[in-house]
Amino acid sequence: EIVLTQSPGTLSLSPGERATLSCRASQSVSSSYLAWYQQKPGQAPRLLIYGASNRAAGIPDRFSGSGSGTDFTLTISRLEPEDLAVYYCQQYESSQFTFGPGTKVDIK
Amino acid sequence: EVQLVESGGGLVQPGGSLRLSCAASGFTFSNYGINWVRQAPGKGLEWVSFISSSGTSKYYADSVRGRFTVSRDNAKDSLYLQVDSLRAEDTAVYYCGRVRGWYYIDVWGKGTTVTVSS
Repeated sequence: EIVLTQSPGTLSLSPGERATLSCRASQSVSSSYLAWYQQKPGQAPRLLIYGASNRAAGIPDRFSGSGSGTDFTLTISRLEPEDLAVYYCQQYESSQFTFGPGTKVDIK
Repeated sequence: EVQLVESGGGLVQPGGSLRLSCAASGFTFSNYGINWVRQAPGKGLEWVSFISSSGTSKYYADSVRGRFTVSRDNAKDSLYLQVDSLRAEDTAVYYCGRVRGWYYIDVWGKGTTVTVSS
């Protein structure tokens, strides 16, 4: 089973700053099968990025994804107050899906 | 509007059972695989089960295999999760989500809450 590790656990930044969130896999993951989700307090998750770097429909271009192999990154180029949320990465391999533990983004 | 709506959650004693449902609308349900994902109070997301568009392929997380059974009725645009032998650690919000070809979830329901307690 592939285990995903996310860092940092919490990120506290000011509006307008750049946020860099990391997702590391215990073994190589197909880039096609790596996704990122945003979950705001009290809401269901929302798809942000699929295939490691493709923005989902309606997602602002300040969100971008990159990476390959075992290391993937979600970047929020200019934080907005509404970006307060927990961000999860997710992968699929051999009939199993796994989520990372999440990174909480706090807005100062 | 593309939508998934879960139902069937509730309070159940340890060892009990529930049948969760997920009703789809606004898209051709029979064309898509569906995931169940749960979230324990204050915790992260945990994948539970996947069923393919036709229902012929079913996958389960190790934590629920043998206790949970996923099924679907494409004629009714509905998905089900039979949850048996429930434990306290199964307490969570259960979400259903539409799975796209690269195995990501692009549409999520709002969830149904299962509480296992005596």
